[in-house]
Amino acid sequence: SQQGEEDPQALSIQEGENATMNCSYKTSINNLQWYRQNSGRGLVHLILIRSNEREKHSGRLRVTLDTSKKSSSLLITASRAADTASYFCATDASNDYKLSFGAGTTVTVRA
Amino acid sequence: GAGVSQSPSNKVTEKGKDVELRCDPISGHTALYWYRQRLGQGLEFLIYFQGNSAPDKSGLPSDRFSAERTGESVSTLTIQRTQQEDSAVYLCASSPTGLNTGELFFGEGSRLTVL
Repeated sequence: SQQGEEDPQALSIQEGENATMNCSYKTSINNLQWYRQNSGRGLVHLILIRSNEREKHSGRLRVTLDTSKKSSSLLITASRAADTASYFCATDASNDYKLSFGAGTTVTVRA
Repeated sequence: GAGVSQSPSNKVTEKGKDVELRCDPISGHTALYWYRQRLGQGLEFLIYFQGNSAPDKSGLPSDRFSAERTGESVSTLTIQRTQQEDSAVYLCASSPTGLNTGELFFGEGSRLTVL
């Protein structure tokens, strides 16, 4: 079973707008990661946030983590057509060594 | 190479045939993972290697699936007597260490189609 679940399943926005997607998970975690997957390609790591962190930034990406609600959000600011991809959250449960992935959010950025 | 390499990139086979998928991880990465991704879905964990050992094979869907790793490097995923439901992209990933999992580095995947 998948640990993380993303919401929404799909998102369509205009270039320049912000895109926000959420991830909920079930068990205690060491860290939460976000990955991007362009169509037909492998996954690329975007950002990792540790369980003792609440917010992290990387370029146009902003990730928040609320361990009390077991949820995370990924914000992409000033979106570009190149941001069109599927985005996955992934968690490693405490005392575990593997990443569990959600089903992903498909983001389409319209030019 | 600099990244994780997988081969073949595409494989079409007939139901009942065996297939072998190969993964070359980043040199020096001790942890290696196999995931399966069905069309439009998330990643399903299959197996994890720490060095040449596989502490957790619980994700393998059936006894038709097996995997091995040699020389703390190359890994092969073998599917025997393939079924149509095996059709998916098989993704391999490696990381420097399997402890307190950090970033995984993924290959481009092997797309398997079983006719």
